[in-house]
Amino acid sequence: QVQLQESGPGLVKPSQTLSLTCTVSGGSISSGSYYWSWIRQPAGKGLEWIGRIYTSGSTNYNPSLKSRVTISVDTSKNQFSLKLSSVTAADTAVYYCARERFGEFYNWFDPWGQGTLVTVSS
Amino acid sequence: DIQMTQSPSSLSASVGDRVTITCRASQSISSYLNWYQQKPGKAPKLLIYAASSLQSGVPSRFSGSGSGTDFTLTISSLQPEDFATYYCQQSYSTPMYSFGQGTKLEIK
Repeated sequence: QVQLQESGPGLVKPSQTLSLTCTVSGGSISSGSYYWSWIRQPAGKGLEWIGRIYTSGSTNYNPSLKSRVTISVDTSKNQFSLKLSSVTAADTAVYYCARERFGEFYNWFDPWGQGTLVTVSS
Repeated sequence: DIQMTQSPSSLSASVGDRVTITCRASQSISSYLNWYQQKPGKAPKLLIYAASSLQSGVPSRFSGSGSGTDFTLTISSLQPEDFATYYCQQSYSTPMYSFGQGTKLEIK
C-alpha cells in the first residue's frame, strides 16, 4: 500500500523559499498512471491545488502560483519536491502531497500524505 | 475557473440520521466530481470518485449522485466516525482542479 510523507522546515522567513519533499513508500513513483501533486490548506480554510509532476518531469501549476512554484522529481529516491519562492504570511498553510490517479476519463487524489504545517514568519 | 459551492457550510445531525450534502459547479462538469472526508488534524480521504463510484474500503452507507452542475453526497445512517468535514472536488478542468469550501458535519 502506497504511503506518502512530507518533510521540510516548519518555519520559513518572509521573502525566502519554502522547500518540501514528499517521500513515496510501498511502491515506485515511476509505476502506473499517476501524477504527483501538492495541495495546501490554510488554517480553517479550504483546499488549494498547487501543482503536479509526472515522472517524465512534465509539470502543471496553478496559474495563481505559477510564477513562484517549482515541482521536481527524483525517481532514484522515490521522492518529489516543492519549492515556493518569495513567500509571505499568506503562504502559511498545511501542505499535503498526494498521488493523482488518472484514467481514461477520471482523475482523483488518493492517497494523501499526513500534511506538514509551514509557517511564514520572521 | 470552475467554482465549486457546497451547501450547507455546516450541519448538525444525530447518529443514525440520513444526511445529504450538496455541491454545485459553476459550469457543467459531467461526472468529474470527487468527494473527500477530512477529520481534524488528518489528511483528506477519498470517498467517492467520478460522482458515484465508491472508493475501495469505504462503507456502503456513503453514496454519491449527480451530473452536470449538481451533485450530492449522502450518508444513509450516520455513525460516530462520520463526523468530519467533507469536500467536493472537480476534475473536469484538468489539471486546474478546484475544491468546494467544505461542509462541517457536527454532532447534534
